[in-house]
Amino acid sequence: DQQVKQNSPSLSVQEGRISILNCDYTNSMFDYFLWYKKYPAEGPTFLISISSIKDKNEDGRFTVFLNKSAKHLSLHIVPSQPGDSAVYFCAASVGSARQLTFGSGTQLTVLP
Amino acid sequence: DTGVSQDPRHKITKRGQNVTFRCDPISEHNRLYWYRQTLGQGPEFLTYFQNEAQLEKSRLLSDRFSAERPKGSFSTLEIQRTEQGDSAMYLCASSFIQSNTEAFFGQGTRLTVV
Repeated sequence: DQQVKQNSPSLSVQEGRISILNCDYTNSMFDYFLWYKKYPAEGPTFLISISSIKDKNEDGRFTVFLNKSAKHLSLHIVPSQPGDSAVYFCAASVGSARQLTFGSGTQLTVLP
Repeated sequence: DTGVSQDPRHKITKRGQNVTFRCDPISEHNRLYWYRQTLGQGPEFLTYFQNEAQLEKSRLLSDRFSAERPKGSFSTLEIQRTEQGDSAMYLCASSFIQSNTEAFFGQGTRLTVV
C-alpha cells in the first residue's frame, strides 16, 4: 500500500507564478515530512522539511504547509523560476530510524 | 567535495553476475541509508546503518542482497546472482543521528541487468 501519495504526475506553471505541489499520506504515525527535488541522473536534493508539531515552514521562495487532520501537505514555490523544473518528491518518516517513505513524485515544468 | 559519493555511477552486468556498489557518506554523519528507485517511482527504503550496526532491513532486501558498513565509515551493497528485476537506481543517503534532520543523497548508481 502506498502510504505517501502524490496524485499529480506533472504540473506546468508560468514563470513568476505560484507552483503548488500536493501530497497525501495515510500513516498517522508519520511525524516528520520533507520535500526533495530531483534532476535527471542526480540524487534527490533536500529542499525543506516540517515537523508534525508545526503547520507551516518557510524558507525563501519555498513554503511547506501541513494539515494533520486531512493528512495532507503541500509545497508552495513563489515565484516559480525555470530552474525549478524538476521532479519533486514528498517524503515522510516516523520513529528514531528516520527512514523515509517517498511519494511517486511530481514533474514540475516552469515555462519561461 | 564533502557530499555523499557513490561508485560506480553506472553498472551494466549480465544476469547471474554479482555486483558491488560503494557509498562514502558525509564524514560526520552516523547514519547511512540505502534506497532503490525504479522508473516512475519514488525511492524505496532498503536498509540503514547507525555507525557500523545494520539496524533495519526492508522486506525488499532479499537474501541475494547484503550490505556492510565496516568501521562505520563507507558502506557496500552487494547483489548476488543479479536478475533483470534488480535493474534500478541505487541511492545512498547519510544523516546525523538527531531526530528531525534531513538525509543527504548521493548521485546514485544506475544498475542495468541484461
